[in-house]
Amino acid sequence: EIVMTQSPAILSVSPGERATLSCRASQSVSSNLAWYQHKPGQAPRLLFYGSSTRATGVPARFSASGSGTEFTLTISSLESEDFAVYYCQQYNDWLRLTFGQGTKVDIK
Amino acid sequence: QVQLQESGPGLVKPSETLSLTCTVSGASISSHYWSWMRQSSGKGLEWIGYVFYSGGTSYNPSLKSRATISVDRPKNQFSLKLTSVSVADTAIYYCARDTDTAMALEIWGQGTLVIVSS
Repeated sequence: EIVMTQSPAILSVSPGERATLSCRASQSVSSNLAWYQHKPGQAPRLLFYGSSTRATGVPARFSASGSGTEFTLTISSLESEDFAVYYCQQYNDWLRLTFGQGTKVDIK
Repeated sequence: QVQLQESGPGLVKPSETLSLTCTVSGASISSHYWSWMRQSSGKGLEWIGYVFYSGGTSYNPSLKSRATISVDRPKNQFSLKLTSVSVADTAIYYCARDTDTAMALEIWGQGTLVIVSS
């Protein structure tokens, strides 16, 4: 099983500030990594796949990068609607998809 | 616009079988991978498994063979059965579809809460 570890668990940020979220894989997943945003009571929303390919409708203030075992999601200037839990997910082992435990971005 | 909608009982007794259906609208189920995930209270997302439109499947080994996912192409639906449930299976269950080019989950249902309780 490929274990995905996200850090930090909680990130307290003020609106307008930059947020940087990390995701580490226990072994290389190449660029087969996705990021999701999840708000209470809503379905998770795909933000990026292929490590850095932005999904439809995702604002430009979101960016993602990385390959192998280290990945980063950056929100350049947080807006109120960005406060949520963010998950990374690998699909390099496509017979067993695994998610990170999530990073909660909350208001400072 | 492709939409997914979960349906099924919201309450299941311990040791019984949880059965959920995901109805796909706006597209044919005859392509793509179709997945089930869940989220228990206070925890993260857990992948349960997926079915390919042709019927091939893959499951999370942590479920110890309790899960079965199947596709019903005439009804444009796919289903999850989880046997021998316990309170630990209480969760919001989501169905989802992958992208055209990657096993990332692009389209999700809104989720359905299933409580396991006697």
